[in-house]
Amino acid sequence: AQSVTQLGSHVSVSEGALVLLRCNYSSSVPPYLFWYVQYPNQGLQLLLKYTSAATLVKGINGFEAEFKKSETSFHLTKPSAHMSDAAEYFCAVATGANSKLTFGKGITLSVRP
Amino acid sequence: DVKVTQSSRYLVKRTGEKVFLECVQDMDHENMFWYRQDPGLGLRLIYFSYDVKMKEKGDIPEGYSVSREKKERFSLILESASTNQTSMYLCAGQGKPSGNTIYFGEGSWLTVV
Repeated sequence: AQSVTQLGSHVSVSEGALVLLRCNYSSSVPPYLFWYVQYPNQGLQLLLKYTSAATLVKGINGFEAEFKKSETSFHLTKPSAHMSDAAEYFCAVATGANSKLTFGKGITLSVRP
Repeated sequence: DVKVTQSSRYLVKRTGEKVFLECVQDMDHENMFWYRQDPGLGLRLIYFSYDVKMKEKGDIPEGYSVSREKKERFSLILESASTNQTSMYLCAGQGKPSGNTIYFGEGSWLTVV
């Protein structure tokens, strides 16, 4: 069985500060890992995806995530937060090319002016 | 761009009513999903389908059913709506050529009074 843990429910940063959203996974096989973003009153949008091609994955809007097998982690970072980054972020894991995704509970990111 | 369209963004229904939530995708995806999203609980899988006329129970199927008569359309049915089914419902598609990436619709806010 696969699972995802996103510790905490809310992160607050100042505009221009580093964004770090944590994600740890559990999987019995090499995983596919995803980060999605959800803006208010919208569906989820893919930020980035890890498929074993490279451990550092770059996504949209300046976000990136690094796969660390030894730590079973896939943390999301952005060097400098922008007000428009305020949203809910979900980490997800899949175990195959055609398998369903298991999502974490999500983290709400707030950005202070 | 991939398009997953949910027919209703906001619905208000009475307890005991039969409710249909419709979802259409335009990417010839084999797999389709219905999730429910609640604060603090993240996304929970209700039902999914790997092909026409096929359906599989997800994590919380009780009180719901689904229909997939055509590949592009996946309907969620609440046989007798209850107040604890007030939630945000998200439809998603997955499959060639996007691999295991899931694409979401905008969501349907359902309030049962």
